Amino acid sequence: AQTVTQSQPEMSVQEAETVTLSCTYDTSESDYYLFWYKQPPSRQMILVIRQEAYKQQNATENRFSVNFQKAAKSFSLKISDSQLGDAAMYFCAYTENGANSKLTFGKGITLSVRP
Amino acid sequence: DSGVTQTPKHLITATGQRVTLRCSPRSGDLSVYWYQQSLDQGLQFLIQYYNGEERAKGNILERFSAQQFPDLHSELNLSSLELGDSALYFCASSVKGQHNEKLFFGSGTQLSVL
Repeated sequence: AQTVTQSQPEMSVQEAETVTLSCTYDTSESDYYLFWYKQPPSRQMILVIRQEAYKQQNATENRFSVNFQKAAKSFSLKISDSQLGDAAMYFCAYTENGANSKLTFGKGITLSVRP
Repeated sequence: DSGVTQTPKHLITATGQRVTLRCSPRSGDLSVYWYQQSLDQGLQFLIQYYNGEERAKGNILERFSAQQFPDLHSELNLSSLELGDSALYFCASSVKGQHNEKLFFGSGTQLSVL
């Protein structure tokens, strides 16, 4: 079974600084997708960024970028110029490309932003 | 606001009872997904519907059932409730019903079983 591991339960960053959140996954598939979702105190899950495994280029969305290392099965999220509104739980997630696929989430990491 | 509406936001009930959670997807989305978030199990996929038909099943207990109605809203029924069923239940929706799409999540229903 596919697994997603987020080994750091908590991280903290100073406002305006850069922070990197780690994620590793285990799969024998070659065609899959990886995601980072944000869950602020309002509880609503929000998609931050999405990466297709067959694309070499790392995905970027404004201040958010990923470092996708396919061979190492690593998918880290970099948040640049951290803002107070970035404080939330962040979940790494994985799914395959197929009819019976499902989204598998990691345990999440709590990010706090210090003013 | 994601456009996905879940009711109620909070639900407190007793063991052995039955409850129904309701979800209205985003306008235009044909697929609805149900997820359970608990401290010990994390976020787990329960079940997915696409245009009224069950499409995928995850770790859903036999005591739980769901359906999607012709107007595309969905209901998750939880019966013979146990203390361990206390969790945050999310509904999400998407256009094509593929898990590799962007999913739009509701704010969840917090269920407390006492």
